[in-house]
Amino acid sequence: DSGVTQTPKHLITATGQRVTLRCSPRSGDLSVYWYQQSLDQGLQFLIQYYNGEERAKGNILERFSAQQFPDLHSELNLSSLELGDSALYFCASSPGPGGTDTQYFGPGTRLTVL
Amino acid sequence: DAKTTQPNSMESNEEEPVHLPCNHSTISGTDYIHWYRQLPSQGPEYVIHGLTSNVNNRMASLAIAEDRKSSTLILHRATLRDAAVYYCILRAAFWDNYQLIWGAGTKLIIKP
Repeated sequence: DSGVTQTPKHLITATGQRVTLRCSPRSGDLSVYWYQQSLDQGLQFLIQYYNGEERAKGNILERFSAQQFPDLHSELNLSSLELGDSALYFCASSPGPGGTDTQYFGPGTRLTVL
Repeated sequence: DAKTTQPNSMESNEEEPVHLPCNHSTISGTDYIHWYRQLPSQGPEYVIHGLTSNVNNRMASLAIAEDRKSSTLILHRATLRDAAVYYCILRAAFWDNYQLIWGAGTKLIIKP
């Protein structure tokens, strides 16, 4: 158990809908990262927040947005969902923002768009 | 953005050493080399990281080439539980809107 929690575990929705994925980092960690992993693919980095501020951005679609709240939990919002958005979404946390930090991953949220 | 290249898959026999290579020819001086692995149906987990010197921990060893353009993750005695996808990624030491680029990784198959 990494200490990172993600809810929900599974989510099934229809095209065009909007969903929110939630992540609680490990106690004391200030950074939160979001990743997308499509079937049998590697991880695609979406975005990182550090202590409430956006820190780094990957190939995150404009239909996707994220934020980190004062209590350090984070939410990833996915809107106007398409079939291709079906994937595993992982959240990770780390103590700080930098290159020496280990990322601790949650169990993921499996999103299925029908 | 600095990228890494790994073989798609490798096979090894149980209880033998495994050497997983990673090329990162465009690495910059402040990039750390990190290795993670992802067991089936789980999130990735940290294995090891280093900057210039070789590193050892209870899970593995990391050998870094002198020019830092390649590295090798060494599992000293592979078990069936080590069957996973292994990712080599680079992380900038300081914040500069760096990109975290994860390749497809190497799928390690362990034969009993």
